[in-house]
Amino acid sequence: AQRVTQPEKLLSVFKGAPVELKCNYSYSGSPELFWYVQYSRQRLQLLLRHISRESIKGFTADLNKGETSFHLKKPFAQEEDSAMYYCALSLTQGGSEKLVFGKGTKLTVNP
Amino acid sequence: KAGVTQTPRYLIKTRGQQVTLSCSPISGHRSVSWYQQTPGQGLQFLFEYFSETQRNKGNFPGRFSGRQFSNSRSEMNVSTLELGDSALYLCASSFRAGGLETQYFGPGTRLLVL
Repeated sequence: AQRVTQPEKLLSVFKGAPVELKCNYSYSGSPELFWYVQYSRQRLQLLLRHISRESIKGFTADLNKGETSFHLKKPFAQEEDSAMYYCALSLTQGGSEKLVFGKGTKLTVNP
Repeated sequence: KAGVTQTPRYLIKTRGQQVTLSCSPISGHRSVSWYQQTPGQGLQFLFEYFSETQRNKGNFPGRFSGRQFSNSRSEMNVSTLELGDSALYLCASSFRAGGLETQYFGPGTRLLVL
């Protein structure tokens, strides 16, 4: 079964420290993975997708097919990075895409 | 462009009642998906509509249904409400460009069933 696991419900770091949010997936095909972020009182929004290999707000994520992981990293955390982060796996069937989400990790960056 | 809008934002119902939630996608987006978010189960896919047709359905009972209109606006309906239906219901509209599809989420409708 397709599944996304985010092992940490809560993660707390200090400003300026490196941060890594873990994501593991279970999928037999070629995965398309995303990180979504939800800041306080804002809607869920796309942070980055693995296929674009881009860096957004200093965050990067590398797909490791051997370890079936897609961890989100940032070398120097900022207070404004405090938010809920969701890893998601895209499943496309007949042109229809559905996202399978992990349970999320709440990141708190302390001053 | 205006973002995805959902109405109402908050709703309180009692067990056994039914409820209809509405979603207006971003202009030009023809695909609308619905998700249920609860503390216990997280975000779970309900269904997806494209050009007034349901293309995909999640693992929810038949009490959960939806439809899409010719202007791409979508509604979802939950009949015979149960306490466990209390959740945040998110709608997302999506658009495919350059082979990539991106889902844009609305603010959600928070449903409380008493």
